[in-house]
Amino acid sequence: EVLLVQSGGGLAQPGRSLRLSCAASGFAFDDYAMHWVRQPPGKGLEWVSGISWNSGSRQYAESVKGRFTISRDNAKNSLYLQMNSLRPEDTAFYYCAKARGGDLAAVGVPFDSWGQGTLVTVSS
Amino acid sequence: DIQLTQSPSFLSASVGDRVTITCRASQGISTYLAWYQQKPGKVPKLLIYAASTLQSGVPSRFSGSGSGTEFTLTISNLQPEDFATYYCQQLDSYFRTFGQGTKVEIK
Repeated sequence: EVLLVQSGGGLAQPGRSLRLSCAASGFAFDDYAMHWVRQPPGKGLEWVSGISWNSGSRQYAESVKGRFTISRDNAKNSLYLQMNSLRPEDTAFYYCAKARGGDLAAVGVPFDSWGQGTLVTVSS
Repeated sequence: DIQLTQSPSFLSASVGDRVTITCRASQGISTYLAWYQQKPGKVPKLLIYAASTLQSGVPSRFSGSGSGTEFTLTISNLQPEDFATYYCQQLDSYFRTFGQGTKVEIK
């Protein structure tokens, strides 16, 4: 069974940093691209960032580019999102998601498993 | 970036109804589109990918169609467990954008 267990998050002041983690099990983690998706409370889904199976390709939404960094450690079956210079508009539930394929550039590849989500609140 | 516009944003329906949700892309994306279902307090669940391929375990009352810029998700014989919010997602570009969602509520 595919399992994505998230940790991290919580309350941060504007301008500060937080790091999210996503521990994977039940599949060959190093074969698949991974993504982060966020959802402000009561609102819709927003794709945040993605990383290819070997970390060779990383992409970011314009809203977080230059502030957030996605990374992975295949030896630890873990995905990370380092969030710097946080803003109130970054407040959201953050989900890690597994892509069906390993190449970030591959078209048509959906997100077939999701973490449980973790709430990030940015407020003074 | 590719923008997705879903319609309607909200719909009210009864058990047993057939409902259709539309997703329009700002540029052609072939059939590189997925649909997800999200229930309150739950994580999104993949329903359909490649515009019309049903994910394993998803009931056959769900179906998808379309290509290019216009896509539809149809739920035939709506069941109580289908009341949720539905999102389309384009899988054509690096930036895997979502539509704004369609909330299906009980009439």
